[in-house]
Amino acid sequence: DAGVTQSPTHLIKTRGQQVTLRCSPKSGHDTVSWYQQALGQGPQFIFQYYEEEERQRGNFPDRFSGHQFPNYSSELNVNALLLGDSALYLCASRRIPPSGITDTQYFGPGTRLTVL
Amino acid sequence: AQKITQTQPGMFVQEKEAVTLDCTYDTSDPSYGLFWYKQPSSGEMIFLIYQGSYDQQNATEGRYSLNFQKARKSANLVISASQLGDSAMYFCAMSPFYNQGGKLIFGQGTELSVKP
Repeated sequence: DAGVTQSPTHLIKTRGQQVTLRCSPKSGHDTVSWYQQALGQGPQFIFQYYEEEERQRGNFPDRFSGHQFPNYSSELNVNALLLGDSALYLCASRRIPPSGITDTQYFGPGTRLTVL
Repeated sequence: AQKITQTQPGMFVQEKEAVTLDCTYDTSDPSYGLFWYKQPSSGEMIFLIYQGSYDQQNATEGRYSLNFQKARKSANLVISASQLGDSAMYFCAMSPFYNQGGKLIFGQGTELSVKP
């Protein structure tokens, strides 16, 4: 049973560029959340996708956008990169249970983005 | 607003001994979930244990147990019989109980070092 996978593992970009990160959820999961983890900090919630729509968003600017595909995989896009966007980007997936009660999220290994 | 506080930036424990990692939380919602994740140097967040706010018993998962004191708003993680492989960052997190949005709020983390 494959867990959450993310690509690429590492990425180096320069300021002003655009980047796309990819995530495939754990088998049986239909929702994907993205988190940004700066060095020495806990992860910060960016947004979540369910049924190909953004369902909730954290305190991140519009430069951060995403997409979910019919196979539940997801992309995170960041435009006009800033030095402060350097971080580990984590993808998490879960299956929203019928009861609606919160369910455990499972994380991927992350993509480490460096902006020079 | 919900908040998680982890006041121990770093902890040391001798191999085979038990260790407690502290976590306090703040929320005005009566329904919520509490999680502990382990993050090795590789970066992946590994789910350890979950406690629901209405659960009467403290959660246990193998060598991990959650000391849930609702009145004090604390959710400490206890690791029994520490192993060298337990050396990692540990994050406490919370979410609304009916968490359709998928947002997890994380603390700053505690770095645990297990000494041989």
